[in-house]
Amino acid sequence: GIQVEQSPPDLILQEGANSTLRCNFSDSVNNLQWFHQNPWGQLINLFYIPSGTKQNGRLSATTVATERYSLLYISSSQTTDSGVYFCAAGPGTYKYIFGTGTRLKVLA
Amino acid sequence: ETGVTQTPRHLVMGMTNKKSLKCEQHLGHNAMYWYKQSAKKPLELMFVYNFKEQTENNSVPSRFSPECPNSSHLFLHLHTLQPEDSALYLCASSHGTSGGARDTQYFGPGTRLTVL
Repeated sequence: GIQVEQSPPDLILQEGANSTLRCNFSDSVNNLQWFHQNPWGQLINLFYIPSGTKQNGRLSATTVATERYSLLYISSSQTTDSGVYFCAAGPGTYKYIFGTGTRLKVLA
Repeated sequence: ETGVTQTPRHLVMGMTNKKSLKCEQHLGHNAMYWYKQSAKKPLELMFVYNFKEQTENNSVPSRFSPECPNSSHLFLHLHTLQPEDSALYLCASSHGTSGGARDTQYFGPGTRLTVL
């Protein structure tokens, strides 16, 4: 099955800094999502991005499907960005495979 | 998102108890999912229902029994659980018909389960 790897596993930033999170996947995928899990456990959709580039405020994501990776960019980070960022990739409609996540802590 | 709700939010149960987790989605979706999130492990897909029919059972032990009476509701019935079943149980939903962003999954807040 598809393997999904995320890096780095942990990241500590000062408020205002920029960061790039990476997601590698081992096979072709039709679906790819990025999520933010807040400290209370809620998973929040950030992007549905099986290919191409999208931006939403301070966040943007790029997926290069032919090279099997996706990047999540966080600019001007804020303390509220803290949490765990997950990439989930899937070959078809229902089955997403989640990576182990990047745990981000933004310091004031 | 408030589109998917889960109850209870926290549950403590003994190994001999029987309890149920409930999920409800208000998004008009047809596919619903149960995931398990254990400490230091990726989210694991447990079950998928599409138009009330189970389409995926990811080798889940029979002490977990799902039920999907309609496209808006999903239950997970629990009996004779083990301490290692303690985890965050997350429900999600999606449109249920394939095609691009319709496969986007939306998650509920989860039920944090502790088995004593």
